[in-house]
Amino acid sequence: DAGVIQSPRHEVTEMGQEVTLRCKPISGHDYLFWYRQTMMRGLELLIYFNNNVPIDDSGMPEDRFSAKMPNASFSTLKIQPSEPRDSAVYFCASSPGSSGNTIYFGEGSWLTVV
Amino acid sequence: AQSVTQPDIHITVSEGASLELRCNYSYGATPYLFWYVQSPGQGLQLLLKYFSGDTLVQGIKGFEAEFKRSQSSFNLRKPSVHWSDAAEYFCAVGGHTGTASKLTFGTGTRLQVTL
Repeated sequence: DAGVIQSPRHEVTEMGQEVTLRCKPISGHDYLFWYRQTMMRGLELLIYFNNNVPIDDSGMPEDRFSAKMPNASFSTLKIQPSEPRDSAVYFCASSPGSSGNTIYFGEGSWLTVV
Repeated sequence: AQSVTQPDIHITVSEGASLELRCNYSYGATPYLFWYVQSPGQGLQLLLKYFSGDTLVQGIKGFEAEFKRSQSSFNLRKPSVHWSDAAEYFCAVGGHTGTASKLTFGTGTRLQVTL
């Protein structure tokens, strides 16, 4: 079975540009998560969805960040405008259910904002 | 609020030696506990998890972990380390409530294996 698929794997963009990261969760999983990983802050949960509905976005750092899940097989994380401090690895993950079920991670999108 | 502490940022062991990575958690009730491994340039792969029952859990790649409620710990162990185990290891905690799907991760322990 295919795992969580993220694109792009690597992106370098200029400050002020819009960045869109994409994720396809594992089929049948009800939960989708966006995490950000940096050296300074480690792994942080940005937002998660249940059945395509955002449940908790308290980790989204600023209004420049937005996430959508228009259907069960696709989600986007958008940064507009991007800033150098947004440089990080962004992971999408999915899970088949709540309360401790295993969360499966994609391989990440490595974002560099110059 | 739930939290995880991994006190060792970096550990070096010789191939064939035993390994123990420490993890302490803070959670108001019985937690779900996880260990993930991240190889360079890769995502996180689940090694093992504890939900309930037997406090010693077995995982993939020969890893095991023991849940000790009295010490709020969930240390990861392997009796004989292989060079391919060099990676970063993350402990994570979640809970049993409806919002418990959100895991809180520790800062990670980077394992180096010398030949």
